[in-house]
Amino acid sequence: AQSVTQLGSHVSVSEGALVLLRCNYSSSVPPYLFWYVQYPNQGLQLLLKYTSAATLVKGINGFEAEFKKSETSFHLTKPSAHMSDAAEYFCAVKETGANNLFFGTGTRLTVIP
Amino acid sequence: EPEVTQTPSHQVTQMGQEVILRCVPISNHLYFYWYRQILGQKVEFLVSFYNNEISEKSEIFDDQFSVERPDGSNFTLKIRSTKLEDSAMYFCASRDDRGRNEKLFFGSGTQLSVL
Repeated sequence: AQSVTQLGSHVSVSEGALVLLRCNYSSSVPPYLFWYVQYPNQGLQLLLKYTSAATLVKGINGFEAEFKKSETSFHLTKPSAHMSDAAEYFCAVKETGANNLFFGTGTRLTVIP
Repeated sequence: EPEVTQTPSHQVTQMGQEVILRCVPISNHLYFYWYRQILGQKVEFLVSFYNNEISEKSEIFDDQFSVERPDGSNFTLKIRSTKLEDSAMYFCASRDDRGRNEKLFFGSGTQLSVL
């Protein structure tokens, strides 16, 4: 069975501070992993994805995530938060050969000026 | 970048009524999906559709739900007799079938409120 767990439903950081959003996965086979972002009143937008190539994945808007098999983690980071980063972030997993994504519960990021 | 379009953005209905949520996937995509997100909960998979038939569905997708691709562009989700617990944001998504492109493109969602 495949699933993801996102620790922390709400994360607040100061503008310019490091952003760290946590995601741990469980999967019986090598997974594909994704981070999606949802800005207010918008749909889900892909930030980045891991598909068994490089373990450090760079995405849009300065975000990156590192796949760590030993920790079954795929945490999302950004060195310096910007006000425009305030949104809901979802980690998702898809097993190789499967057809759909399984999402975590989401983490709401607030950026404090 | 191409977009998945969903209409309406908000739908209010009475319990027991039928609703149809509409989606226009990206034109050259072959896989279509419906997901929903109940307020405060995770985004949940409902159904996937490929080659004019359901390829996979979750336990949520019971007999009250159906999907259809009535023409070459639209992909609809019908709820026959809505219940209060069907209130959620419903997202349509699509992806193409080329290579190992795993990226799903999502629409902006339809907020369904059942009263």
